[in-house]
Amino acid sequence: KAGVTQTPRYLIKTRGQQVTLSCSPISGHRSVSWYQQTPGQGLQFLFEYFSETQRNKGNFPGRFSGRQFSNSRSEMNVSTLELGDSALYLCASSRGDTQYFGPGTRLTVL
Amino acid sequence: QKEVEQNSGPLSVPEGAIASLNCTYSDRVSQSFFWYRQYSGKSPELIMSIYSNGDKEDGRFTAQLNKASQYVSLLIRDSQPSDSATYLCAVNMRAGNNRKLIWGLGTSLAVNP
Repeated sequence: KAGVTQTPRYLIKTRGQQVTLSCSPISGHRSVSWYQQTPGQGLQFLFEYFSETQRNKGNFPGRFSGRQFSNSRSEMNVSTLELGDSALYLCASSRGDTQYFGPGTRLTVL
Repeated sequence: QKEVEQNSGPLSVPEGAIASLNCTYSDRVSQSFFWYRQYSGKSPELIMSIYSNGDKEDGRFTAQLNKASQYVSLLIRDSQPSDSATYLCAVNMRAGNNRKLIWGLGTSLAVNP
């Protein structure tokens, strides 16, 4: 069974731009969670989607948004990028409570 | 008090020794617990999950859960240099009407040849 895939793997943007990241979960998994990881900050929870509905949300500003499609694929969007948004963005899919991570998208904001 | 706490390390052990990683959590009614390994620049990968009090073994890894004391630990026997990584503890906790996976900050492990 194929694992979680994320695209793109690397992204360079400038301040003020917006970005969309994509995540395809493991087949059969209906829950997708998004995390931001920066050095020394650990995994910061962004949001979780289940059956196209946002089920949980972390403490991030409204510039961070997401959605899930009927095939369980998910996207997250960050608008008006700031330097501090540079991070590894991880997507995890789950069926039940065990999460499996994709390889991540490394976003650099210049 | 943080919801899931781990010693940040670094924990340094010689090759062949037992590495012991600990995690405490705040939600007394948590039911599921996970250990992940993360190599530098990579994404976390699941090592094992544990749901019941006691020990659970998988190869060189043993997870230990004590719900009364609210801690979960991971033992790595015969540690290898390839085990050098950050180990993340995650606990499934109540979040309003839902449950959410809460993460510790991780413990950095260095296995010295």
